[in-house]
Amino acid sequence: DIQMTQSPSSVSASVGDRVTITCRASQGISSWLAWYQQKPGKAPKTLIFQASSLQSGVPSRFSGSGSGTEFTLTISSLQPEDFATYFCQQSDSLPYTFGQGTKLEIK
Amino acid sequence: EVQLVQSGAEVKKPGESLKISCKGSGYSFIDYWIGWVRRTPGKGLEWMGIIYPADSDTKYSPSFEGQVTISADKSIATAYLQWNSLKASDTATYYCARHRLGLGIDYWGPGTLVTVSS
Repeated sequence: DIQMTQSPSSVSASVGDRVTITCRASQGISSWLAWYQQKPGKAPKTLIFQASSLQSGVPSRFSGSGSGTEFTLTISSLQPEDFATYFCQQSDSLPYTFGQGTKLEIK
Repeated sequence: EVQLVQSGAEVKKPGESLKISCKGSGYSFIDYWIGWVRRTPGKGLEWMGIIYPADSDTKYSPSFEGQVTISADKSIATAYLQWNSLKASDTATYYCARHRLGLGIDYWGPGTLVTVSS
């Protein structure tokens, strides 16, 4: 299985800050990476697919980049509704493994 | 509008069987893979497996193969996740999710909480 490792595991930030989350794959996955946001008690929401493509309806302050083994999710200016847990997932090969999650908290 | 509607929360005892469901609407059910993801506080999100409703081709994560059964009834646009003998460690929220192979998940169901306790 491909192992996905996110860093940091948690981060504290303020409204208006720029935040970057990193996801590393244990082997090359081209651009087959997605990012999801999950709030407590809610289903995950798809933000980014194919490393950098924004899912329809997702605000443009979210962006993704990377290829191969290293990827980033950037939120350009944090809004109050962005405080949540973020997960990456590779879709290069089965099983489609997730990272362990990054919890974004209010400073 | 794509919608995935899941069956309600369940409370079961160890050793009991269970089948939860996920009904898709707003799209051609047979044209997309649909799968299941487990969410636990300790392990985050875990990908369990997917099924292609058109021909019932099914792929499992090795972590879940033999532990659960994924099935689908294309005539009623519904996917299922089934256990023959539940364990306390199966306590979790289970999400169904529409997959685009190579592109990941685009739509998620609201989740079904399964609690297994004696």
